[in-house]
Amino acid sequence: QITLKESGPTLVKPTQTLTLTCTFSGFSLTTTGMGVGWIRQPPGKALDWLALIYWNDDKSYGPSLQSKATITKDTSKNQVVLTITNMGPVDTATYFCVHISTRGKTWPHFDYWGQGTLVSVSS
Amino acid sequence: EIVLTQSPGTLSLSPGERATLFCKTSQSVTSSYVAWYQQKPGQAPRLLIYGASTRATDIPDRFSGSGSGTDFTLTISRLEPEDFALYYCQQFGRSSWTFGQGTKVEMK
Repeated sequence: QITLKESGPTLVKPTQTLTLTCTFSGFSLTTTGMGVGWIRQPPGKALDWLALIYWNDDKSYGPSLQSKATITKDTSKNQVVLTITNMGPVDTATYFCVHISTRGKTWPHFDYWGQGTLVSVSS
Repeated sequence: EIVLTQSPGTLSLSPGERATLFCKTSQSVTSSYVAWYQQKPGQAPRLLIYGASTRATDIPDRFSGSGSGTDFTLTISRLEPEDFALYYCQQFGRSSWTFGQGTKVEMK
């Protein structure tokens, strides 16, 4: 059974760096085809894909964060970390961690989601 | 970037009625790379339909998807109380995922 859970601060100040951790179970990011990504949702707004990292350390980023985001993995801990620099009020959102498998029947879609974590940006 | 436009923004229907949701892409996309998600308040989205027309695991058969090119449709044949929620379409292309802005199916 695949599960994912996000953790990190609930409040950050403008210009600070946000670090979010996704801790997962039920699969390994050393297994060919596996990927973990991040999607955010500002309050009352639509979903926005941010970043994704694959088992082979390939990474891709969505256009909304441009060079502000970095995604990394720690396979020994079953964790994926998303870092976003220079946070601003527009970055206030619920951040979801998601699973994807290039070898799964549901490729290229997100078949498992974490519960999400709300991050507010305010001074 | 491919833009997905969903319509209508809100659909007001009664239980038992048929719901038809639309998703139009700004350019032609591969049907295999189109999905629909359902999101209830306070919850994460759930994958409903992938490959434009295949139901995900444990999704009831009252949900169906269709479409090709730039026009895709999600149909709920007979609305159950638990189906009143937000629905998003999504596409994948050029190593990037984009979502529509969502359609809210609300109880009339």
